[in-house]
Formats: sequence, structure tokens, C-alpha cells
Amino acid sequence: RKEVEQDPGPFNVPEGATVAFNCTYSNSASQSFFWYRQDCRKEPKLLMSVYSSGNEDGRFTAQLNRASQYISLLIRDSKLSDSATYLCVVNGMGNAGNNRKLIWGLGTSLAVNP
Amino acid sequence: DAMVIQNPRYQVTQFGKPVTLSCSQTLNHNVMYWYQQKSSQAPKLLFHYYDKDFNNEADTPDNFQSRRPNTSFCFLDIRSPGLGDAAMYLCATSWASLAAGGSYNEQFFGPGTRLTVL
Repeated sequence: RKEVEQDPGPFNVPEGATVAFNCTYSNSASQSFFWYRQDCRKEPKLLMSVYSSGNEDGRFTAQLNRASQYISLLIRDSKLSDSATYLCVVNGMGNAGNNRKLIWGLGTSLAVNP
Repeated sequence: DAMVIQNPRYQVTQFGKPVTLSCSQTLNHNVMYWYQQKSSQAPKLLFHYYDKDFNNEADTPDNFQSRRPNTSFCFLDIRSPGLGDAAMYLCATSWASLAAGGSYNEQFFGPGTRLTVL
């Protein structure tokens, strides 16, 4: 089993749609979770950290389910500018060196169409 | 604005000709990372520095080396680039603590250097 798994998509949705991405992780001891967004040929940018209680930022909602070891990202009222790859990221666990590392999913591609 | 800067943004080198990529940061973060990212793949961690402590990934080829002369700067040296080393190279920084339980914060990325090997 991969350490972090995501559905690669692509997800093609119309403007205004609601879309949800899920991500599973294998290490139950992981403590930090993030969603990054990456536009084509650009660097990844932090979209949201994911907290145990769930968190919302405008049209974006992130949830963490520790029992099932999955993370979700919900995008409401999709905009054309939301088209990007969304990367699920989990911190590595183990010795101190691994704690400083991020384990990356392969990303889910989203295309929002007019 | 605090940021992570990479130079050059585009680098073309010849097969086997050494190349150095640079990264600087104004965030005063204690951890700096180098990633390699190829098309349609997730970033692949090559190594990272926690302060001056170098941490290499087990599968990083010896062809890749790094230097961190001070907190602000970190370099990636590719001693003999091969065609397979053509990729985007991303530098990232974060703040991490070795306190009990550790604390881990998100990573901030520079814009990347796109390396072409001819």
C-alpha cells in the first residue's frame, strides 16, 4: 500500500459544481496533513492545513478522519481558476528526520469547464 | 515579503557538464529541502538540511550533492547530469522543532528551476 494515495482523476466539472477529493494515508501515527495546489509548470502552494476538527476557508473545506485514515477536500461553487492539481500531503513519522519530511500523494487533476 | 528564491529559473546544460542550482530564503526557516519533480509526478525529496545537519534520502543518486553554507542559502550540485535528470528542481523551507513530540509545519516552495539536459 502506498503511503499516501489519491484518485488521480482527472475530474472534469462545470463551473459552479461541488467537487470532493479523498486521500488515504497508511501511517496511523501521522500528525500533520495538508492540501497543496499545483498549477501546470509552477511550484506547489499550500492550500490548507487539515486539522482534526475540520476546517473551512471560503469555498474550501478540509476534513480529517483519523479512524479511517483519510483526508478530504471539498470545493464548492467551482471557478475556472480552481483548475489545477491538488496534492494530498502527510508528514512522515518515525525518527526526527522523518518527522521533518512530507509524504506526497500523486495529486488529483481538476479541470473546471465553462 | 518573505520568500524562497531560486536561481536560475531555467538552466540548460550538456550531458555530463556539472551544474549548480541555488536557493535562498528570507523566512529564517531552519529546514531546507531539495525536490525533483518530473512531469505528472509528485515532488520527490532528494535531501534536506535541518540547520547544518544533512539528511540524504536512501534512493538519491550520488550524482546529487548539496551544500548549505548558512541559514539562508542552499545549493544543489549535479555532478554529471544525465538525460534522466531533466526535471523541475524545487527548493522548499519549513520551521521544525526537535522538542519532545516534535512540531512540524508546512513547507514553502520556491518557483523552481527547470533543468534541460542536452
